[in-house]
Amino acid sequence: GAVVSQHPSRVICKSGTSVKIECRSLDFQATTMFWYRQFPKQSLMLMATSNEGSKATYEQGVEKDKFLINHASLTLSTLTVTSAHPEDSSFYICSALKGDTNEKLFFGSGTQLSVL
Amino acid sequence: KNEVEQSPQNLTAQEGEFITINCSYSVGISALHWLQQHPGGGIVSLFMLSSGKKKHGRLIATINIQEKHSSLHITASHPRDSAVYICAPQGGTGNQFYFGTGTSLTVIP
Repeated sequence: GAVVSQHPSRVICKSGTSVKIECRSLDFQATTMFWYRQFPKQSLMLMATSNEGSKATYEQGVEKDKFLINHASLTLSTLTVTSAHPEDSSFYICSALKGDTNEKLFFGSGTQLSVL
Repeated sequence: KNEVEQSPQNLTAQEGEFITINCSYSVGISALHWLQQHPGGGIVSLFMLSSGKKKHGRLIATINIQEKHSSLHITASHPRDSAVYICAPQGGTGNQFYFGTGTSLTVIP
């Protein structure tokens, strides 16, 4: 089955630093990837939609200069949390749509970000 | 305003019970996903529905497009089914997702 690899699974950083999270589709091409965040005991919140070769589409309320998304290839999207602050501490998850079939979402295993 | 209403929010069941989780939505959709999130965060896509009914093992998902309602059923529930189940309608353009608040299911042996 299709696999999405997300790395790192856990990261602890100091306030003010930037953190990059990678999301790779290992055995399929993903023209569209999604980034979500999840606060404890809450549901997923879509942050942005990432399309290969074009600028990401951000949801209302999500700062695009703070959460930089790059989708440079059909198998890789990255989310960079710039100048991280403690309130950015959260669980970040990516998912990918397989090619044009739109058949199913495949999820990464998530990244727990803790900003000290 | 919530585009997706999911119920119940919490559910505790005895092993072997039949479980139903409901999802109502107000937006136009091209498909609806049921997701399972285990403790620790891992998420699995259980079903993608655009009409009718799908079955996978002990899991059954149904959708009524006219009524904008979907249900997820678990037959002969087992403690390993304990997880959060999330309903996620997918918008008509294909790339807009909405998420229910999730149903936290605990199955007791």
